[in-house]
Amino acid sequence: DTAVSQTPKYLVTQMGNDKSIKCEQNLGHDTMYWYKQDSKKFLKIMFSYNNKELIINETVPNRFSPKSPDKAHLNLHINSLELGDSAVYFCASSQEWISGNTIYFGEGSWLTVV
Amino acid sequence: SQELEQSPQSLIVQEGKNLTINCTSSKTLYGLYWYKQKYGEGLIFLMMLQKGGEEKSHEKITAKLDEKKQQSSLHITASQPSHAGIYLCGADRSGGSNYKLTFGKGTLLTVNP
Repeated sequence: DTAVSQTPKYLVTQMGNDKSIKCEQNLGHDTMYWYKQDSKKFLKIMFSYNNKELIINETVPNRFSPKSPDKAHLNLHINSLELGDSAVYFCASSQEWISGNTIYFGEGSWLTVV
Repeated sequence: SQELEQSPQSLIVQEGKNLTINCTSSKTLYGLYWYKQKYGEGLIFLMMLQKGGEEKSHEKITAKLDEKKQQSSLHITASQPSHAGIYLCGADRSGGSNYKLTFGKGTLLTVNP
């Protein structure tokens, strides 16, 4: 069974649309993350949540709104999509939100905005 | 400026050859993580290093962290086509809570049979 799973894997949508990416982890971890990998393959953190509470928000535009209904799920909703939002979005989780905890990543969601 | 530098950016080797990828930080790290990314498969965790001078091995891959905890190397012995992919180093600078990893730009490894 996949430890960190995210859907959809591929998403092509038009500018201005609103879309969501769902993420679930079955590892029993307390902390979940969203990372963005841009066209230059640069992987950067967007958000982290610990037990449903927002911990890190790396100056991401407020068009991006994460939602954590429980600690096993962290969904990413994006409003008014722009061309620059095209990227691969990775969900991840770790046991705790302190140093020394390995972060496990999902397979990524390829978002293309046209 | 980029705080975490990886080198080389890309590497092409013949199967069976050894290779080394480097990751250098401008600041002392609390931890250094190595991941491998293959297209469509996300990031696969390889190894974590936390102590100065630490060295870990798994199969044909060895990772080391220097004593100052600012530089790490990933060494692959007798490379195989299955080693091909993008290798990413992730730095933990948090030293406590608000934990996150900051990544280098990756090294694209091609192994020719």
